[in-house]
Amino acid sequence: SQTIHQWPATLVQPVGSPLSLECTVEGTSNPNLYWYRQAAGRGLQLLFYSVGIGQISSEVPQNLSASRPQDRQFILSSKKLLLSDSGFYLCAWHRGGAYGYTFGSGTRLTVV
Amino acid sequence: AQSVTQPDIHITVSEGASLELRCNYSYGATPYLFWYVQSPGQGLQLLLKYFSGDTLVQGIKGFEAEFKRSQSSFNLRKPSVHWSDAAEYFCAVGTSGGGADGLTFGKGTHLIIQP
Repeated sequence: SQTIHQWPATLVQPVGSPLSLECTVEGTSNPNLYWYRQAAGRGLQLLFYSVGIGQISSEVPQNLSASRPQDRQFILSSKKLLLSDSGFYLCAWHRGGAYGYTFGSGTRLTVV
Repeated sequence: AQSVTQPDIHITVSEGASLELRCNYSYGATPYLFWYVQSPGQGLQLLLKYFSGDTLVQGIKGFEAEFKRSQSSFNLRKPSVHWSDAAEYFCAVGTSGGGADGLTFGKGTHLIIQP
């Protein structure tokens, strides 16, 4: 069966520190992968998506970047965190067709 | 560009009462519509989805939703809510192939259940 893993579940980081959040998918190949951010009262915002290894598209210019070093691995990074980067980050994959999207359990990031 | 509106930020319902959460969308083609539920600090769980066919779709946990093209709506309903239904509910619109569009979400409706 297909599953999606995200870690860590929670993270508290100081302003100016680097960030690396990891997402991996099991049981499928060549998935479309997505990073969303959920800020309080603002719903979910699509940050990045990837259709394959090394292929990253950004939806919103910001302090973050994404990479896809392997087929089933999607990483969200920052060189220097800002207070405004705080939020709940969700990874998702799309199986294609009528299957819809599956979300990971999320990472709560607090920048202090 | 596609968009989703959930007009109710908060809804309070008594346990055992019926529930309807509103969702309106804007999309140029036939939409793929979703309802997700999020418990505090958790990821999103898919309740149901509409792609085509019967406009009344059944989901998990006793939820259903009706697609009304003329009203551009996809409202979520449940005949009798349970305390465990208290959560955040998100309506979303997307395309079948994923890609650049991903999913566009509404801002969510926070459901509060009164005993």
